[in-house]
Amino acid sequence: AQTVTQSQPEMSVQEAETVTLSCTYDTSESDYYLFWYKQPPSRQMILVIRQEAYKQQNATENRFSVNFQKAAKSFSLKISDSQLGDAAMYFCASLRFGNEKLTFGTGTRLTIIP
Amino acid sequence: DAGVTQSPTHLIKTRGQQVTLRCSPKSGHDTVSWYQQALGQGPQFIFQYYEEEERQRGNFPDRFSGHQFPNYSSELNVNALLLGDSALYLCASSLEGANYGYTFGSGTRLTVV
Repeated sequence: AQTVTQSQPEMSVQEAETVTLSCTYDTSESDYYLFWYKQPPSRQMILVIRQEAYKQQNATENRFSVNFQKAAKSFSLKISDSQLGDAAMYFCASLRFGNEKLTFGTGTRLTIIP
Repeated sequence: DAGVTQSPTHLIKTRGQQVTLRCSPKSGHDTVSWYQQALGQGPQFIFQYYEEEERQRGNFPDRFSGHQFPNYSSELNVNALLLGDSALYLCASSLEGANYGYTFGSGTRLTVV
């Protein structure tokens, strides 16, 4: 079974600054995907970034990037130039290749300070 | 292009009753998954439907059942509601073989009293 752990229930950052959200996971699989989802008050889960475990290069999407440490089973999300619209719950999730079940962590609430 | 549509957005039910939640997938998607998100928790996988069949199921009792229709829309049914069934129920759609590009709806908030 896969497990995902987010040890930071809440984080805050000044607008325009950089923040890093932590995530660790546990899996015995060799092929899997890792995701960061954002859940604003609208409740819809929005995909922020995705990483295929077989790729060594860290994924980036504009101001969002990840630090994927496969041996340490760590998958942190860095948000650069934080904006007010980044305020939300952020969930880390994993998915075993060939499986259809996303396994989520408990989330980190990110607050942006103007 | 409409995304995933869920109905209703909120509802309140009494313990022991039955409830049906509905999901219309994103246009072009053929697979629907359902998740339960309790307050302060991450979503938990309930099951997934593809080609009108339940393809995979999480650790949920048989009180939770579903259906997928020929137009790919889906229903989640919960019988004999318990107080602990109070949660946000999220639907996610995807296209089979499209590399896990899930699109989520905004959920149905179910309160059991």
